[in-house]
Amino acid sequence: EAQVTQNPRYLITVTGKKLTVTCSQNMNHEYMSWYRQDPGLGLRQIYYSMNVEVTDKGDVPEGYKVSRKEKRNFPLILESPSPNQTSLYFCASSSLAGVSHNEQFFGPGTRLTVL
Amino acid sequence: AQSVTQPDIHITVSEGASLELRCNYSYGATPYLFWYVQSPGQGLQLLLKYFSGDTLVQGIKGFEAEFKRSQSSFNLRKPSVHWSDAAEYFCAVGVGFYGGSQGNLIFGKGTKLSVKP
Repeated sequence: EAQVTQNPRYLITVTGKKLTVTCSQNMNHEYMSWYRQDPGLGLRQIYYSMNVEVTDKGDVPEGYKVSRKEKRNFPLILESPSPNQTSLYFCASSSLAGVSHNEQFFGPGTRLTVL
Repeated sequence: AQSVTQPDIHITVSEGASLELRCNYSYGATPYLFWYVQSPGQGLQLLLKYFSGDTLVQGIKGFEAEFKRSQSSFNLRKPSVHWSDAAEYFCAVGVGFYGGSQGNLIFGKGTKLSVKP
């Protein structure tokens, strides 16, 4: 089954404790992206990647890092989480072929709480 | 700048009544448009998409949407709402890499749908 998976699905942590949210896709997609969803703000892009070793900032990158060492994986790293990073996070992927790059497939989401 | 506006934050309809959720976009090129639904505590599910061709597109769960270029709109409709349709609905435009964009989806802020029995 074609899918995007994220782990963990739920995480409660404390300020300053480094964490990683994993994202993996099995569709051989070149493009991967991270979004955060906050009430009243919709979804906003954090980082994206066009392919292995190619990453760039989205609209709200402060406090986050990413890496793309393999095509299927795109982890989101919070080196020193703060309470304002409490949010619902979505990973997404898409093919870069033709217009397909506009259709993104989303993971189930990771609900992060930073105390 | 690209943007998506969903003017209604919250809508309540009676079960069996018709539904229309509004979406307006601002985008300088050919828009690729999407509607997603998010049930409480769930992820995003794609309802339907518009890339080109027929401006009336059919989606899952009996939903449809009509693209009107002259009005920059992509409103979502359903003729008869079911209680299970209660959820939050997001309209989005795919900006691709036009004008240096970063290939992301620009989302509206969502419309929460409540269904009265």
